[in-house]
Amino acid sequence: DAGITQSPRHKVTETGTPVTLRCHQTENHRYMYWYRQDPGHGLRLIHYSYGVKDTDKGEVSDGYSVSRSKTEDFLLTLESATSSQTSVYFCAISRAGSSSGSPLHFGNGTRLTVT
Amino acid sequence: TQLLEQSPQFLSIQEGENLTVYCNSSSVFSSLQWYRQEPGEGPVLLVTVVTGGEVKKLKRLTFQFGDARKDSSLHITAAQPGDTGLYLCAGTSGSRLTFGEGTQLTVNP
Repeated sequence: DAGITQSPRHKVTETGTPVTLRCHQTENHRYMYWYRQDPGHGLRLIHYSYGVKDTDKGEVSDGYSVSRSKTEDFLLTLESATSSQTSVYFCAISRAGSSSGSPLHFGNGTRLTVT
Repeated sequence: TQLLEQSPQFLSIQEGENLTVYCNSSSVFSSLQWYRQEPGEGPVLLVTVVTGGEVKKLKRLTFQFGDARKDSSLHITAAQPGDTGLYLCAGTSGSRLTFGEGTQLTVNP
């Protein structure tokens, strides 16, 4: 069981408020990812990090920002939450990048509801 | 945009039956992974296949990568209730990893 902790596990927030989700790993893996999972869309990549302070956008990055100031922590911020951002958010880590076929290890998710 | 289509979307069977789920694309993948996800948890890797035509077995689960590396299948023999879950395939092409939408499998006792 890869050491990945997501917090909070559940959150309800109002439209227009900022929200920050945290992912903490104890595996010292270089790569960290944020995905959202929605019915009919599967898992979609929001942002990823390939090292401390090195991040890049995924396919659904609008309205989200990330920060990685330490190897073990990757933060996802919804700058002004909207109802379309209601989703389950998963953090994942990997030893090497996607091009290597390196497997992803996922956290248990954060269920976010924006009212 | 690379798409991975999984079929069927939903599958409900009785314990002891065999089943196959499919993962298809028009794109060529350098590798393909299968994950299983249970309610309230993140996906967990089952297997990675990298060579066209490759077959891997994990107890009662058999995974096959298509010869052209555009498709894959997962066959479960004598399904058990513990096999219930969402099965996801994910393909790597270049620097991109693309997930299918998954097959929700329910095995009834």
